Amino acid sequence: GDSVTQMEGPVTLSEEAFLTINCTYTATGYPSLFWYVQYPGEGLQLLLKATKADDKGSNKGFEATYRKETTSFHLEKGSVQVSDSAVYFCALRPQNFNKFYFGSGTKLNVKP
Amino acid sequence: NAGVTQTPKFQVLKTGQSMTLQCAQDMNHNSMYWYRQDPGMGLRLIYYSASEGTTDKGEVPNGYNVSRLNKREFSLRLESAAPSQTSVYFCASKDTATGVITEAFFGQGTRLTVV
Repeated sequence: GDSVTQMEGPVTLSEEAFLTINCTYTATGYPSLFWYVQYPGEGLQLLLKATKADDKGSNKGFEATYRKETTSFHLEKGSVQVSDSAVYFCALRPQNFNKFYFGSGTKLNVKP
Repeated sequence: NAGVTQTPKFQVLKTGQSMTLQCAQDMNHNSMYWYRQDPGMGLRLIYYSASEGTTDKGEVPNGYNVSRLNKREFSLRLESAAPSQTSVYFCASKDTATGVITEAFFGQGTRLTVV
C-alpha cells in the first residue's frame, strides 16, 4: 500500500546550519507530495508541494525535489533559524485518490 | 478567513463517556477528514468524507463514528471513550471540485484525554 517514511528525530541544529530531512515514499503511479509544518500548539500548515516528477517545491527558504527514480522528497534549507523549530511532516496523495498519507513527523530544534 | 474550525480545543473524558468533536469549514470544500496524531506515529486517518452525504473508513475507524451534516460540517463521535483514544484530533478539508491538485487545510486540533 501507499506509505511515507521519514527520518526520525529530533534533529538539533545550530542557527544558520544546513538542514536535510529525508522522506521516501511507496506508491503506484504518480502521487503528489507535500511537506507540512506544525508549530507548537498549532495545526498543520502546508510548507510546499510538488505534483509531478522533477518538480521542485519551495517556500520560506525550504526546498524539496520530487525524485521519481529514488522515490524521495527530501526537505532542505540552507540556513535554519530559531523560528524554524517545529515538527515537519512529509505527506503523499495517491494519484486519483483524495486521501493523504503522512510520515511520522520529524521534530526540528534550532538553537541560537 | 476562518478556514477549518474545530471545537472544543481541549477535553477530558472519563472512560465510557461519549462526546462529539465538531468541525466546520468555510472554504466550500467537498472533502473533509478526521485524523488522530499520536507520538511517533504521525497522523492516521480515522474517517473521511469525499462529499456531502458520503463517509468512508480510514486506517483506524474502530471506536468512532462520523456524520457529514452538510457541506460545511463533519463531526466525529466517540460513543464510549477509552484511554487508547487519548490523542490530538485534527479535522481537515480539501477542494476536489476544480481538478487542480491542492493541499488539505487543517484545523487547530482537539487535545482529548481519556482517564
